[in-house]
Formats: sequence, structure tokens, C-alpha cells
Amino acid sequence: QLQLQESGPGLVKPSETLSLTCTVSGGSFNSSYFWGWIRQPPGKGLEWIGIIYYSGSTYFNPSLKSRVTISADTSKKQFSLKLTSVTAADMAVYYCARLVANWGYVDSWGQGTLVTVSS
Amino acid sequence: SYEVIQPPSVSVSPGQTASITCSGHRLGDRYVSWYQQKPGQSPALVIHQDTKRPSGIPERFSGSNSGNTATLTISGTQALDEADYYCQAWDSNTYVVFGGGTRLTVL
Repeated sequence: QLQLQESGPGLVKPSETLSLTCTVSGGSFNSSYFWGWIRQPPGKGLEWIGIIYYSGSTYFNPSLKSRVTISADTSKKQFSLKLTSVTAADMAVYYCARLVANWGYVDSWGQGTLVTVSS
Repeated sequence: SYEVIQPPSVSVSPGQTASITCSGHRLGDRYVSWYQQKPGQSPALVIHQDTKRPSGIPERFSGSNSGNTATLTISGTQALDEADYYCQAWDSNTYVVFGGGTRLTVL
């Protein structure tokens, strides 16, 4: 049974960098899947941040592309998100997720982690 | 950038059929999936590849996608179906796009 677990600071100061890691258990990085990040501001809808393929190729939401890095360490079965220059608008529950490669749907979600942006 | 639009809210009486739409330019050319999210929970997949139900999802959930509109249909809606529903479009150019979500109220 695949499990995804987000970890990282729950509080980030404005203008600093948000860093989160997702640890994958019960699954493997292979060509069948993308691994990605999705966020949800309190009381609002889902927003796609970006995805990484097992090859290391990355794809991002155009609205966030200039501030986002996604990387993966397959040996540790982890992938990570960095979002620079955060503002209050970046406060959200951040989910890591697995997407089925050919059809792009999320078949597994992490439980989500709330990141607050405040000084 | 590509957008998909959902109605903010849909209401349905118990036992009736609920239809939630998702609209976008030539959406039928993309794959659409649907997610159910209840308060305090992560979203859960209910429909993928336009029409397919994951194992464990009741048969009352069905999907379609043609032209500019995809539709999630819940037949014989139950109180436990009350939730937020999100459509998501996918293609190999724009990758992932979520709709704004629809709150389904069963009353």
C-alpha cells in the first residue's frame, strides 16, 4: 500500500524559502508515475504546483514556475519542494501526490501539511 | 493559460441525481479526473480518464467528457456524498489544471 508523508517546517517567514519533503513508502520511482505537489489555501480550492518524472524532468504551474524547484532523491524514495520568496498568499495545506503518467490523475495523496507564512 | 470552470455550488435532494460540470476549451481532447474532498481530509479520486471508477468507488458515480464539457454524475445521491468536488484536466502540454471546485449539498 503506497503511503506519502510530507515533512518540513510549518512556519515560514515572509520572503524566505518554503522547503518540504515527501517520503514515499510502498512504491517505487519508475516510468509509470509522476510525483508532484499540490496546495490548498485555507477555505479555497486546489492548485497544482508542479511534478517530477522519474527521469528528473520537471513541469510547473506557469504562475509559480519562477519560484519553484522540485527535486527527487530516488535512493531515499523522497522528493522535495522549494518555493522561494514566500508571501501570505503562499499559506496553504501542501499535499504531495503520485500521478499516473499516461493520464495525469492523482491516485495517491499525502495527508497534507499546513504551512503558515508569518513573521 | 488553460482554465477549467466549475459551478461553485450544486444542491440535490437525497435519492436524486446530481450533475457537476467542468468546462474548458476543447476539454474533450484532454483527460479529466474528478476528486471528492470532505472537510479535513485529503482529496480522493472518484473518476479518472473521463469515465473510469477506481476500485471501491460506488457505481452511482459516473463521468463523461465531450466537446467543451466534462460532467460528474452522482445517481441516487446519498447524504454521505456531500463534499467538495474538483475536476482536473491533463494533457502533455499544460499538464495539470484544477477547476475551482463545486460544493455539493444534499438537502
